[in-house]
Amino acid sequence: EPEVTQTPSHQVTQMGQEVILRCVPISNHLYFYWYRQILGQKVEFLVSFYNNEISEKSEIFDDQFSVERPDGSNFTLKIRSTKLEDSAMYFCASTKLGGEQYFGPGTRLTVT
Amino acid sequence: AQSVTQLGSHVSVSEGALVLLRCNYSSSVPPYLFWYVQYPNQGLQLLLKYTSAATLVKGINGFEAEFKKSETSFHLTKPSAHMSDAAEYFCAVSDGNSGNTPLVFGKGTRLSVIA
Repeated sequence: EPEVTQTPSHQVTQMGQEVILRCVPISNHLYFYWYRQILGQKVEFLVSFYNNEISEKSEIFDDQFSVERPDGSNFTLKIRSTKLEDSAMYFCASTKLGGEQYFGPGTRLTVT
Repeated sequence: AQSVTQLGSHVSVSEGALVLLRCNYSSSVPPYLFWYVQYPNQGLQLLLKYTSAATLVKGINGFEAEFKKSETSFHLTKPSAHMSDAAEYFCAVSDGNSGNTPLVFGKGTRLSVIA
């Protein structure tokens, strides 16, 4: 069964550093999403991406964040200058038109 | 704006007992509703979804949920809990009219199953 994959599973970085989280969505899916879950809190929407552009973003997704689909398979989330409060589990999801969202296993980002 | 309220951050049941996890939603448009399960150190797995067809939805692992518009509820049930059901459960809503809108999640309910 096709699945969404994410790398790395765990990323440790120092405050102020740039990080790139990678996702490979399911191949015939058209919509891509990033969510995050701060430890002990609920899953929060960050951004959605369709047809090579951002379709919707939340208040969390400020200028420090960017997304890209650099080739036909990868979908990346970049945080330009990480802060302590960016420490969270980041989930990628993908879906076909009108379908349910399939989530990847997540990347745990720890900012020290 | 849409929102989800999950009553009870932690529910504990005995093995073999009924599982009932509560979810109430708020939506100004016809909603799509979902239950996801998260096992420790894993991602989110879809249990079941409501997309305006049958109000009683059956999912994986013996779970089901009933959409009650009058009560704005979408509670998750399972007749007999198993030890392997211990996990975090999230209710989520999206805008059913707009196709692929983002999910809005509740805070989650941690289910413990006691032998």
